[in-house]
Amino acid sequence: DAGVIQSPRHEVTEMGQEVTLRCKPISGHNSLFWYRQTMMRGLELLIYFNNNVPIDDSGMPEDRFSAKMPNASFSTLKIQPSEPRDSAVYFCASSLFERGGYTFGSGTRLTVV
Amino acid sequence: QQPVQSPQAVILREGEDAVINCSSSKALYSVHWYRQKHGEAPVFLMILLKGGEQKGHDKISASFNEKKQQSSLYLTASQLSYSGTYFCGTENETSGSRLTFGEGTQLTVNP
Repeated sequence: DAGVIQSPRHEVTEMGQEVTLRCKPISGHNSLFWYRQTMMRGLELLIYFNNNVPIDDSGMPEDRFSAKMPNASFSTLKIQPSEPRDSAVYFCASSLFERGGYTFGSGTRLTVV
Repeated sequence: QQPVQSPQAVILREGEDAVINCSSSKALYSVHWYRQKHGEAPVFLMILLKGGEQKGHDKISASFNEKKQQSSLYLTASQLSYSGTYFCGTENETSGSRLTFGEGTQLTVNP
């Protein structure tokens, strides 16, 4: 299995631009999670999906952030407009069942200048 | 509610043992342990679900106390490859699948 696949690995963008992060979970995993990691705040859950349905988006910082999971094999996290404080590593993770161990993707390092 | 990890950092010589603790003020549904090396993604180590549970593989094991409020990760006869940041992630009865991670414990194993 190729694991959880995220793209791009690195993204540098200017403030105000739209950014889209992509994630392909492990086939057969029915839970998908988006986390953000920074030195100051550690690993923060942004949103999670179970069977493609958003269950908890209380961690999404504000309306500039949105996430979708149109099917079991693809999810996106969009930031529009981006701000310098959004700079972080964004991880996608999936798990086989709702309360199982997570497999993390390699992450997307986002820099907003 | 974020679990509290201790210590924040530990430095060992190869072959020494370490214990990392993770505690919560409320009873938990489960505790996960992950290791993250610099510049890489966190990697799942194990999950504990039952009060009083102990489990492990190789020389890394963990326990979950009877009240399900504290977990400890034990690293025995440490190897250079054990270096990294260890995170516990916790779920409570009402959090669903949502894991809340501790701040992490940075472990450095020197030759």
